Amino acid sequence: GEDVEQSLFLSVREGDSSVINCTYTDSSSTYLYWYKQEPGAGLQLLTYIFSNMDMKQDQRLTVLLNKKDKHLSLRIADTQTGDSAIYFCAERGTGRRALTFGSGTRLQVQP
Amino acid sequence: DTEVTQTPKHLVMGMTNKKSLKCEQHMGHRAMYWYKQKAKKPPELMFVYSYEKLSINESVPSRFSPECPNSSLLNLHLHALQPEDSALYLCASSQDFAPGYGYTFGSGTRLTVV
Repeated sequence: GEDVEQSLFLSVREGDSSVINCTYTDSSSTYLYWYKQEPGAGLQLLTYIFSNMDMKQDQRLTVLLNKKDKHLSLRIADTQTGDSAIYFCAERGTGRRALTFGSGTRLQVQP
Repeated sequence: DTEVTQTPKHLVMGMTNKKSLKCEQHMGHRAMYWYKQKAKKPPELMFVYSYEKLSINESVPSRFSPECPNSSLLNLHLHALQPEDSALYLCASSQDFAPGYGYTFGSGTRLTVV
């Protein structure tokens, strides 16, 4: 079955870059997503990458995909205190109708 | 309108009560989803509706009953719940099932069963 794994916690200082990592097992994954969840809120889609891409940049966010190693990362440049949240990696493979989420990485940004 | 609206935001119910969670979107999305999220855990899929028909039921107990009255509305009827059903219930929608379309999530209903 599908499995998506993330480290549980990351702490950075304000202004530094954050890198959140994710590994997945389903080789049929076609799209991979990053969602942000602030306390008590729903999930906000941050960005996604198609499996035939290696990198996608969107303002402060850079997504890197290593399809061979099934490894996805999200880099947040110039991390701000407002970036403190839980970040979920998610994937959906061909023919599947729902996303599979990772366990989430709690990002703590210290002033 | 680019939002998924869920009501109520908070709900406390007894184990003998009957209540309903509501979800609404006006983006023309034809796929709608219910997820359950326990504290410090990822969302777990419960139900998927496609064009107003139930497409996936992830072996959810019958005390949870979904309903899709029209393409904009999704309900989750609750009856005889247990304290372990306390969680954040998230509704989401997507334009269709093509993988390029991400989900839009609502802010959730925090349910407490007493």
